[in-house]
Amino acid sequence: KAGVTQTPRYLIKTRGQQVTLSCSPISGHRSVSWYQQTPGQGLQFLFEYFSETQRNKGNFPGRFSGRQFSNSRSEMNVSTLELGDSALYLCASSLGEDSRSDTQYFGPGTRLTVL
Amino acid sequence: QQQVKQSPQSLIVQKGGISIINCAYENTAFDYFPWYQQFPGKGPALLIAIRPDVSEKKEGRFTISFNKSAKQFSLHIMDSQPGDSATYFCAATPGGFKTIFGAGTRLFVKA
Repeated sequence: KAGVTQTPRYLIKTRGQQVTLSCSPISGHRSVSWYQQTPGQGLQFLFEYFSETQRNKGNFPGRFSGRQFSNSRSEMNVSTLELGDSALYLCASSLGEDSRSDTQYFGPGTRLTVL
Repeated sequence: QQQVKQSPQSLIVQKGGISIINCAYENTAFDYFPWYQQFPGKGPALLIAIRPDVSEKKEGRFTISFNKSAKQFSLHIMDSQPGDSATYFCAATPGGFKTIFGAGTRLFVKA
C-alpha cells in the first residue's frame, strides 16, 4: 500500500500571498488531519476531516482552512501569509473509526517558507 | 487543560543504555496515548501506544509505563542503539480525533 503523499514538498511564498497544500491519504483511510510543526511550537493540530466534513479543529486563525474531497484527498489553504506561517505542514491519515486506537500515518510534510 | 508536558528536551545516552522520556497531562478526558518517532526529513511514525486502562505495554525494546493517578506516562527504550537517535513525541487524544503532542525529545545515542 502506498503511504501518505503530500505535494509540493517545498514551497517558497512571500507575505500576503496564499498557498494550497495537498494530501493524498492511504487507500481506505477516511480521516485526514493536518498539523503545523515548528521548532518553537512543536506539532500543533490544525484540523481533521472525515468523510468530507471537518470533525475537529485546533486553535488557528481563520486564515487556515481545509477541505476534503469524496476520494478522501485533502487540501489545506493558508491565505494572507505571514512570516510566522513558515513551518513544516504535516498531513496524517487514519481509518478514523475509533479514537482510542486510531493509528495516524504521517506524510513527509510540505516545507513552507514565507519571505 | 489540553496540554501534554514532555521532558527532557534532549537526551544523550550511551549505546546499550536505557533512554527514559517522561510526559504529564492534566485533562482526564484523554483516552489514548501514542508515542511517535521522527527522523530528520520524515514525518512522525507511530512507535507504541497505550490506553489508560493498562499500566504498562511492551513492544520489543520499547515500553510505555502509565500512571493514571499521577497523570503521567513514560517511554523506556532498553538497550538503546545509535539507530534510535531521533526525536520522540508523546501525545494524547482527548476523546476524539484530535491529537495533542508534547514538545518532543531529541535523543542521541552515542556509539
